[in-house]
Amino acid sequence: QQQVKQSPQSLIVQKGGISIINCAYENTAFDYFPWYQQFPGKGPALLIAIRPDVSEKKEGRFTISFNKSAKQFSLHIMDSQPGDSATYFCAAGRRGGKLIFGQGTELSVKP
Amino acid sequence: NAGVTQTPKFQVLKTGQSMTLQCAQDMNHNSMYWYRQDPGMGLRLIYYSASEGTTDKGEVPNGYNVSRLNKREFSLRLESAAPSQTSVYFCASSDLVGLAGEQFFGPGTRLTVL
Repeated sequence: QQQVKQSPQSLIVQKGGISIINCAYENTAFDYFPWYQQFPGKGPALLIAIRPDVSEKKEGRFTISFNKSAKQFSLHIMDSQPGDSATYFCAAGRRGGKLIFGQGTELSVKP
Repeated sequence: NAGVTQTPKFQVLKTGQSMTLQCAQDMNHNSMYWYRQDPGMGLRLIYYSASEGTTDKGEVPNGYNVSRLNKREFSLRLESAAPSQTSVYFCASSDLVGLAGEQFFGPGTRLTVL
């Protein structure tokens, strides 16, 4: 019940396109769902996060969509740019608990 | 404000050797974490410390020990390194006591065990 499954493992998108990464969780007690971005040789950094009382959160070109009944959430990157090329991790956690991370998606945006 | 710092950046060990990975944060965070990152497996929690003086096991604690030296510092020790411990190790800290909040990560230590 502690797993977070992330797909796809890798993604290639043309510049200006939409990148979509999906995650599914099992534990219904999770109430915090962040996305982290990691560039090569660096540590992950928080990109955007959502709590289950909303179905969508948007920050600039990045949007999280959340489906509580399906226990799924996704990251959409609009107008993808080569500078967005990185590894993206979804995670899930609950108040007083730890974060469980997905397996990661390596995104490559081609110019 | 350096955030989360880790030393060393790179390390090569022989099987059976021991070493300590150091982590420090200057954000006055209560919680600190150690993760390992392996290809296709994401970030897996080794140990965490919810507050100074407490430590708890994560998903993959076997072969590791930790010490929360004070509020700023959290070290990870490999007593007898094995090739399966070849990985990139990240330390993180967070500032929401009792809540799963934003975690700030260090730059990582790349460890190779021969």
